[in-house]
Amino acid sequence: AQKVTQAQTEISVVEKEDVTLDCVYETRDTTYYLFWYKQPPSGELVFLIRRNSFDEQNEISGRYSWNFQKSTSSFNFTITASQVVDSAVYFCALHKSSGDKLTFGTGTRLAVRP
Amino acid sequence: DAGITQSPRHKVTETGTPVTLRCHQTENHRYMYWYRQDPGHGLRLIHYSYGVKDTDKGEVSDGYSVSRSKTEDFLLTLESATSSQTSVYFCAISAGPQGYGYGYTFGSGTRLTVV
Repeated sequence: AQKVTQAQTEISVVEKEDVTLDCVYETRDTTYYLFWYKQPPSGELVFLIRRNSFDEQNEISGRYSWNFQKSTSSFNFTITASQVVDSAVYFCALHKSSGDKLTFGTGTRLAVRP
Repeated sequence: DAGITQSPRHKVTETGTPVTLRCHQTENHRYMYWYRQDPGHGLRLIHYSYGVKDTDKGEVSDGYSVSRSKTEDFLLTLESATSSQTSVYFCAISAGPQGYGYGYTFGSGTRLTVV
């Protein structure tokens, strides 16, 4: 069975601080995809990034960066110089090659205070 | 251009009544999904479809049924609503032709309250 764990239920930071959201996954597959989604207070789910299991290169997109480490089964998400607009619930998710379904973690609620 | 719309956006219904939620897509994607979101549980898969009239159960399918008679529409029915089915329901479509690895595009959600 596959599983995604986001141990941090809630994180609160002050604006301009850096923050890392942790994601640990379990799967027996060697081919899979990992995702991060953002859910702002308005409620919609916004796709942030997709990473396949064969690409361990870290990725940076503006203030966002992702660290994928197969050795520890982790796919962590870092926001640099956080802003109030980053306040949201963030979900990590796993899609394995032998199935059609996306498995989500329970989410991390990030609050960025001015 | 949402490409995927859910209706209704909000609904309040009484225990024991049937309820149908609709998901409509204009992307011609083969795969469609229904999830529910509850505090502490994240998003959990209820049912999904991999083609017209082809559906399968997810991890929390009890009390729910689905139908897909056309590529663009995926209906979720609560046969007899219970208070435990109060939740936010999201429909999703796969962004790739094979439904794997491309992530999902989500609808805006339906907030259902069963009283």
